[in-house]
Amino acid sequence: GEDVEQSLFLSVREGDSSVINCTYTDSSSTYLYWYKQEPGAGLQLLTYIFSNMDMKQDQRLTVLLNKKDKHLSLRIADTQTGDSAIYFCAESFSGGYNKLIFGAGTRLAVHP
Amino acid sequence: DGGITQSPKYLFRKEGQNVTLSCEQNLNHDAMYWYRQDPGQGLRLIYYSQIVNDFQKGDIAEGYSVSREKKESFPLTVTSAQKNPTAFYLCASRTGGPNTGELFFGEGSRLTVL
Repeated sequence: GEDVEQSLFLSVREGDSSVINCTYTDSSSTYLYWYKQEPGAGLQLLTYIFSNMDMKQDQRLTVLLNKKDKHLSLRIADTQTGDSAIYFCAESFSGGYNKLIFGAGTRLAVHP
Repeated sequence: DGGITQSPKYLFRKEGQNVTLSCEQNLNHDAMYWYRQDPGQGLRLIYYSQIVNDFQKGDIAEGYSVSREKKESFPLTVTSAQKNPTAFYLCASRTGGPNTGELFFGEGSRLTVL
């Protein structure tokens, strides 16, 4: 079945690295995504990785994909208070129509 | 600026009333979606539409209805049959084609049933 799982909370100190983990079930997903949601707002795409890649780096963000274990992670270097938000992992569903399956979201709290 | 506009941002409803949430996009996207967000849960798909005059049920369509008469517009009606309608509702759109293109989200509508 379709399922994406994430831990619900992560707390880090400002300046440290944050690592948010995600597991997914659809091994034929073409793309995997990380979205960010700030309080009371919609989701914004942070980054995505194509399924034939192992790693993607974009400034402070590093995405690692372990396709064998169906594990995706998002690392935020030098975490700032402005990074406090909910981060959603999503996989593209390969069931014949255009649909994303989202995890429950990880709430990242950055403290001084 | 291109984007997705949802209205109203906050809505209060009495039990037994139908309400309609508006979603308009000027991105010229073919596909549009409605998601429901509850605390501690992922986004759950209510309805989606890949082209005008066509839409399909998502995972939790019971108690909801939609229409897609124009490419730009995909309103969601929360009917009195929806047992637990208090939630944050998110509309999204993307370009067509399978497994391609990012989802663009609106700012959401928070519905509270009194």
